[in-house]
Amino acid sequence: ETGVTQSPTHLIKTRGQQVTLRCSSQSGHNTVSWYQQALGQGPQFIFQYYREEENGRGNFPPRFSGLQFPNYSSELNVNALELDDSALYLCASSLTGRARMNTEAFFGQGTRLTVV
Amino acid sequence: AQRVTQPEKLLSVFKGAPVELKCNYSYSGSPELFWYVQYSRQRLQLLLRHISRESIKGFTADLNKGETSFHLKKPFAQEEDSAMYYCALLNAGGTSYGKLTFGQGTILTVHP
Repeated sequence: ETGVTQSPTHLIKTRGQQVTLRCSSQSGHNTVSWYQQALGQGPQFIFQYYREEENGRGNFPPRFSGLQFPNYSSELNVNALELDDSALYLCASSLTGRARMNTEAFFGQGTRLTVV
Repeated sequence: AQRVTQPEKLLSVFKGAPVELKCNYSYSGSPELFWYVQYSRQRLQLLLRHISRESIKGFTADLNKGETSFHLKKPFAQEEDSAMYYCALLNAGGTSYGKLTFGQGTILTVHP
């Protein structure tokens, strides 16, 4: 059984650029959630993907978008990067079963994004 | 709107002392609550969830709906318990289904 993996681990981008972060879900999981964790704060929910569709969204602007692929891996895309987007981005995978009940969420190690 | 509050950013205790990490929540539905832990240089991992009613690594947490609290307790702290602890609430309905709302976290340091 493989765990949740994210790539890259670190990234530096310039304000205004676009970035794509990647996440491979744990074997057997079909749901991926993305979180942003600013320094000194708890993770904040960005959105969740289930069956290749967005299944819930937090308070983030449309320039934060995502994809889920048939193998349940996922991408997080951020356009028009701003300095405040500098944070640790966490991916979590889980299994959504019948009656939309989620199992425990397993987290990746995160991608540290720095916008300069 | 749902919210999780962890009033203490830092908590220091000595080895063998009891420890309690506080968590309060606000949520209009029936809450499902979790404690996550992050040890140094490791990823965030689930410590326990209230519906399991388990004791993990000597930690327990009881959901008190009257006080809207889910405090994490351990009677005798160990040095290896030093870590960042997050309380989290699961949104089980609406447009943010599956969303975990996290508190700001408490850094626990257990001194020898």
